Order: sequence, then C-alpha cells, then structure tokens
Amino acid sequence: DTGVSQNPRHKITKRGQNVTFRCDPISEHNRLYWYRQTLGQGPEFLTYFQNEAQLEKSRLLSDRFSAERPKGSFSTLEIQRTEQGDSAMYLCASRSQGARYNEQFFGPGTRLTVL
Amino acid sequence: GQQVMQIPQYQHVQEGEDFTTYCNSSTTLSNIQWYKQRPGGHPVFLIQLVKSGEVKKQKRLTFQFGEAKKNSSLHITATQTTDVGTYFCAGGSQGNLIFGKGTKLSVKP
Repeated sequence: DTGVSQNPRHKITKRGQNVTFRCDPISEHNRLYWYRQTLGQGPEFLTYFQNEAQLEKSRLLSDRFSAERPKGSFSTLEIQRTEQGDSAMYLCASRSQGARYNEQFFGPGTRLTVL
Repeated sequence: GQQVMQIPQYQHVQEGEDFTTYCNSSTTLSNIQWYKQRPGGHPVFLIQLVKSGEVKKQKRLTFQFGEAKKNSSLHITATQTTDVGTYFCAGGSQGNLIFGKGTKLSVKP
C-alpha cells in the first residue's frame, strides 16, 4: 500500500449539492497534489501544495473547486454546486520535495457520481 | 498550454509478443515519468528519466528519453499477463505533472 489515504472512496450526490473530499498523504511528504481522472483519460492536474501553501491553482476547473491544506498535513478538495460533468475519480498524490526521484504516490481515489 | 500525447491508445498483444508505447510533448520537458495503472487501481510510479537520450531498463521494460527531451518510449519485451494495465507518461514542468491519455495494454494468454 502506498500510504496515501482518501475518504470517502465513493460519493453519490445530487446536482447542486456541495461535496468535500479528504486526502491524508504519507506523513513525511510535504507536497500534495490533486488530480481528476475520467474514463479513458490520464490524471488531469488540478492543484498542488507545498506544506500549507497552495503553489498552483490556475488549473482548478472552475471557481466551484477549491482546495485547502491548513496545517500542511491532510488536504480537502471541495466542489460547490456540483454538476453532472463533475462525475469522475478524484485522485490525491503526495511526494517528498528533494527526494531523489520526483515520484508521486497516489491514493486510491474518491469516485464522485453526480445524479 | 503544454500537452502530452501518447500512442497508441490501445494495444492488444498475444502473450510473449513485444509492446511499445510512445509519448510526445509539445514542449521541452525537465523530466518524464512513467506510471502503470492496473484496472480498478491507481497510478503507480515506474521510472523517471531526466537526461537527454537517457535509456533505463527494468527487467523486461526499457524506457527512453529523446535527445530533444520532448519524446519518450516504453518497450516491454515478451509481454506477460501481469503486464496488463494502462501505461501513462507524465511530463514534468514547473512543479507539476502533465499526464498523457495512456496506452491500455491487454495481453491474451
């Protein structure tokens, strides 16, 4: 197991509802990434943190998407006013800056279904 | 923006045949990484290439990084059923990774 955990693993919601996902990275990793993956596609980068600082958020899909990592440990991804097009797998990954390889360790993902 | 393209999208092989997937970036990359995602699983890191023209081997897998650092390939010799999955290349740029769409490999025993 990679050590990155995500909760919940599955979320079914109705259009217009808000949802929040949680990611717990490997404890010594200071970088945390969020991706979205739809069927038949590669992971699509959304945003990333170094410790508690959000270093890149321009690729968040819309202003309905926001992410936080308040204490530099776990992170949350919130989607407000969900739409059917938001249905996808949301993946979290972490890595240690300065490690020999820039390997990202992925969690199992949260599968979102918007009805 | 930066794009990473992979071909083919699908590859069906007989067990024992070789397999190659190709990756091309629209921009020069600082590094390229390869990941494997098993059906129902999450991406798992295979390798990172950094140097122009670099070649790395892992058992039956051979990875290459182009001289211009804009393309890469993964070659699997004598595929096995355990090689089934989707192989993604991911280009490193400005702190994040841009993934290709992947090549889905199926292996017929």
